[in-house]
Amino acid sequence: AQSVTQLGSHVSVSEGALVLLRCNYSSSVPPYLFWYVQYPNQGLQLLLKYTSAATLVKGINGFEAEFKKSETSFHLTKPSAHMSDAAEYFCAVSDQRSGGYQKVTFGTGTKLQVIP
Amino acid sequence: ETGVTQSPTHLIKTRGQQVTLRCSSQSGHNTVSWYQQALGQGPQFIFQYYREEENGRGNFPPRFSGLQFPNYSSELNVNALELDDSALYLCASASERYTDTQYFGPGTRLTVL
Repeated sequence: AQSVTQLGSHVSVSEGALVLLRCNYSSSVPPYLFWYVQYPNQGLQLLLKYTSAATLVKGINGFEAEFKKSETSFHLTKPSAHMSDAAEYFCAVSDQRSGGYQKVTFGTGTKLQVIP
Repeated sequence: ETGVTQSPTHLIKTRGQQVTLRCSSQSGHNTVSWYQQALGQGPQFIFQYYREEENGRGNFPPRFSGLQFPNYSSELNVNALELDDSALYLCASASERYTDTQYFGPGTRLTVL
């Protein structure tokens, strides 16, 4: 079984401050890990993914995440928050497998508020 | 390249009715997954279709069913609607080569009264 836990359902940061959104995963097999962003009344957009290559993953819009196996974590960071970053962020996990069925399990989400 | 599209955008039904939601995959994608996202929750996996066959299912009852067509578009059907079925329904498509990278549509907001 696989699961993700996102610490903090709401996070507030000042514009220009560091963004840190926490995600811990549980998986019985080597995982694939993802961060998605969802703007109000929209679908999910992939920010970045870890698929067992480099442990530091760079994504779109200046976001990055580091896979730490010893801590079973995959926290999302951005050095300087922008007003446009205000959205809901979801961490997700799936099993590593090639092709075919791939169930993705999502966390409950973290709403990021950026204060001007 | 056309992205994932879903129709309708919004839908209101009453308890006990049946509903069909539609999804058009991104060009070249032959895998489609459906998710239910209740208010304030993360998306929950319903099922996945690959080359017109269901090849994975989450913890949803049989009244949730689907189809995938030869052009890889897809339908989600829900029978005997319950109030708890009110949610945003998302579909996501992926290519055969990169099944780990899913592209999501904007969703259909279903309200059951």
